Amino acid sequence: ETGVTQSPTHLIKTRGQQVTLRCSSQSGHNTVSWYQQALGQGPQFIFQYYREEENGRGNFPPRFSGLQFPNYSSELNVNALELDDSALYLCASSLAAGFGTGELFFGEGSRLTVL
Amino acid sequence: DQQVKQNSPSLSVQEGRISILNCDYTNSMFDYFLWYKKYPAEGPTFLISISSIKDKNEDGRFTVFLNKSAKHLSLHIVPSQPGDSAVYFCAASMNYGGSQGNLIFGKGTKLSVKP
Repeated sequence: ETGVTQSPTHLIKTRGQQVTLRCSSQSGHNTVSWYQQALGQGPQFIFQYYREEENGRGNFPPRFSGLQFPNYSSELNVNALELDDSALYLCASSLAAGFGTGELFFGEGSRLTVL
Repeated sequence: DQQVKQNSPSLSVQEGRISILNCDYTNSMFDYFLWYKKYPAEGPTFLISISSIKDKNEDGRFTVFLNKSAKHLSLHIVPSQPGDSAVYFCAASMNYGGSQGNLIFGKGTKLSVKP
């Protein structure tokens, strides 16, 4: 059973650039959620994808967007990067509603630094 | 406004003693609570959960207590081991049985267990 994998693990961008982060969900999981964890804070929900559709969104502007592919892998795209976007971005997979405990399985995260 | 609060940024205990990590919440609509553990350079891993219909859930050395009237939960680790040293996040959801993607996390408590 493969766990959640994310790429890249670290990256540095400059303000105004765009970034794409990738996530492969755990085998058998069809739901992917993305979280942003700023330094000293807990993870904050960005959005969730289920069957390639956005299925809930947190308080993040539209320049944060995502995709889910037929194999349930996912991308997080952030346009017009700002300094405050510097954070650890966590991807988590889970089974769909009504199955299991609803537990989230997290990847190791992608550390984004915006200069 | 933080809906899930972990007021102790850090906690230090001696190996073999009890560790008690506390968490308060403000939203009475929360019906499912989880604890996650996070080691450096790793994603959070699920530890234990409790639904609002229970007041206690036990799993080995870990017990979570829920006091709904006080909007308070706590995680007890007995006995504490050096390998338990990590950051512990309390999280809450208002959609038990549904998708757990949108979890509200606290800021975390860093537990250090001294040999």
